[in-house]
Amino acid sequence: KAGVTQTPRYLIKTRGQQVTLSCSPISGHRSVSWYQQTPGQGLQFLFEYFSETQRNKGNFPGRFSGRQFSNSRSEMNVSTLELGDSALYLCASSLLGDPQETQYFGPGTRLLVL
Amino acid sequence: AQTVTQSQPEMSVQEAETVTLSCTYDTSESDYYLFWYKQPPSRQMILVIRQEAYKQQNATENRFSVNFQKAAKSFSLKISDSQLGDAAMYFCAYRSALYAGGTSYGKLTFGQGTILTVHP
Repeated sequence: KAGVTQTPRYLIKTRGQQVTLSCSPISGHRSVSWYQQTPGQGLQFLFEYFSETQRNKGNFPGRFSGRQFSNSRSEMNVSTLELGDSALYLCASSLLGDPQETQYFGPGTRLLVL
Repeated sequence: AQTVTQSQPEMSVQEAETVTLSCTYDTSESDYYLFWYKQPPSRQMILVIRQEAYKQQNATENRFSVNFQKAAKSFSLKISDSQLGDAAMYFCAYRSALYAGGTSYGKLTFGQGTILTVHP
């Protein structure tokens, strides 16, 4: 079974631009979570989607948004990019998003904001 | 809010030796899950081992085992017979088992990580 895939793997943007990152979960998985990883703040939870609905959200400004499609693929969008948004963005999928389930992570998208 | 602390930014071990990575957490909940994830230089996060808080028995997965002390809120990872491929960043993570308000959906709370170096 194919793992979680994320595209693109690398992105370079300039301040003020917006960016869209994509995540395809493992086949059959309906829950997708997003995390931001930076050297200073570590790994922080962004949001979780299940059946096209956002069920949980971390403490990030409204510039960070996401959505999920009927095939469970998810996208996250960051508008008006700031230098501090430079990070590795990871998505993870699980079957239903229940607490006892293991989350399987993708390879991440490295975003550099200049 | 739950917090996870890994007090060892870096650790090193000789190949074939044993190393223990420390993790403490703070929570007022009684039911939760704890995880150790490994992130090698390739950046793909991989689950190493998981522990259910309601289970007293410590989890083991081949060369990896944990020492779960619920009262002390401690969750250490022991790697036996260390191999060069074990070199990575290791993250301890907490997951609430509660559904109240949807705050547990998807959310893993991570520690800051421990970089493990394995010397040949």
